[in-house]
Amino acid sequence: SAVISQKPSRDICQRGTSLTIQCQVDSQVTMMFWYRQQPGQSLTLIATANQGSEATYESGFVIDKFPISRPNLTFSTLTVSNMSPEDSSIYLCSGRSTGELFFGEGSRLTVL
Amino acid sequence: GESVGLHLPTLSVQEGDNSIINCAYSNSASDYFIWYKQESGKGPQFIIDIRSNMDKRQGQRVTVLLNKTVKHLSLQIAATQPGDSAVYFCAENIGVSGGYNKLIFGAGTRLAVHP
Repeated sequence: SAVISQKPSRDICQRGTSLTIQCQVDSQVTMMFWYRQQPGQSLTLIATANQGSEATYESGFVIDKFPISRPNLTFSTLTVSNMSPEDSSIYLCSGRSTGELFFGEGSRLTVL
Repeated sequence: GESVGLHLPTLSVQEGDNSIINCAYSNSASDYFIWYKQESGKGPQFIIDIRSNMDKRQGQRVTVLLNKTVKHLSLQIAATQPGDSAVYFCAENIGVSGGYNKLIFGAGTRLAVHP
């Protein structure tokens, strides 16, 4: 199994600012994904982080709001841009090679 | 840690009883399903998976049943323990163009185990 580390684990942010979340996997994975989990709800897929190319976004999520990088097979970043209180959520990084999807502990953002 | 599952349906069981958590999925083309457990303040953890060519799979104290006719998945936990208290999510694997797959999660159920 893979171990996924995220930074920061939590943060309190001001409205209008941007925050970048880092995700590091301890082994190479074929695919990396970013999910959002709003308070008391399930996980919603934001995008697939593609190595060396633009991420593939799900309906309702756009690159200008959630730019994603994936420079190699073990690292990815998600930026939450121009934050509003509605962006308060847990953001989860995940990775898989075949079958099972592994998750980080999540980054809990509160936007004031 | 921050609580999850505050607004999710709750299943309350007595310690030692068996638990059954249900999930409806949406895509008849899904070929693979996974159950995850999420404890408060943590990321989801893999419990058990099942391929679409199976209708039952057993693990340690857990069994997953798949009914493709009605697009229904269930997770059975035998002899439920307090440590099983968590939110449980089913996820379905969906293939997309370009040759990759993505996991889409169901709504989730909070399991509360009482001593």
